Amino acid sequence: QTVVTQEPSFSVSPGGTVTLTCGLSSGSVSTDYYPSWYQQTPGQAPRTLIHSTNTRSSGVPDRFSGSILGNKAALTITGAQAEDESDYYCVLYMGSGVSVFGGGTKVTVL
Amino acid sequence: QVQLQESGPGLVKSSETLSLTCTVSGGSVSSQTYYWSWIRQPPGKGLEWIGYISNSGSTNYNPSLKSRVTISIDTSKTQFSLKLTSVTAADTAMFYCARILSGRLVWYFDLWGRGTLVTVSS
Repeated sequence: QTVVTQEPSFSVSPGGTVTLTCGLSSGSVSTDYYPSWYQQTPGQAPRTLIHSTNTRSSGVPDRFSGSILGNKAALTITGAQAEDESDYYCVLYMGSGVSVFGGGTKVTVL
Repeated sequence: QVQLQESGPGLVKSSETLSLTCTVSGGSVSSQTYYWSWIRQPPGKGLEWIGYISNSGSTNYNPSLKSRVTISIDTSKTQFSLKLTSVTAADTAMFYCARILSGRLVWYFDLWGRGTLVTVSS
């Protein structure tokens, strides 16, 4: 079974930049996987940040950006703010209607 | 503005069937652009896709749960539902309903409910 991999945690300073990645246990991530990213703060439902690799959802600040870096999908936060401290999940579309979540990355801003 | 709201028992006994409903307000479940999905999150853990249903009733389930899951839809009530049979403590989780936006080169969860916590008791 394919596993979607994410870093367990990252720490970033206020105003700093952090790049989270989303990979596959076997193979490379491409735009064909329609990578999407979701932000979840404790006690809240996930919020959609990025879809189709690099398209920001409505209302998402432009400090969030998506891309393909090497063989992984990536979410970059440029100019991190305190309110960006959250869990971040990627989802890859495996085809045939199957979506797989990554394990999530906990981002700390300090 | 379309909103999703989960409802159902917060406590289910082990070996019984978990049943939840997601009500779609401010919109229809009849569009072919969307699929209607369930996702769960055990306490302190990550998100897991359970499955989805289309407006026509076609379904697709996570292979790891397929034998125990049924998702149905009631277009007249703008609701879709989840049944998970033979539950154990491992099924204790926050359950979210979500809408999948599907199109040319697009597939993602674009709208989420607030979630409902279901605890499986022995």
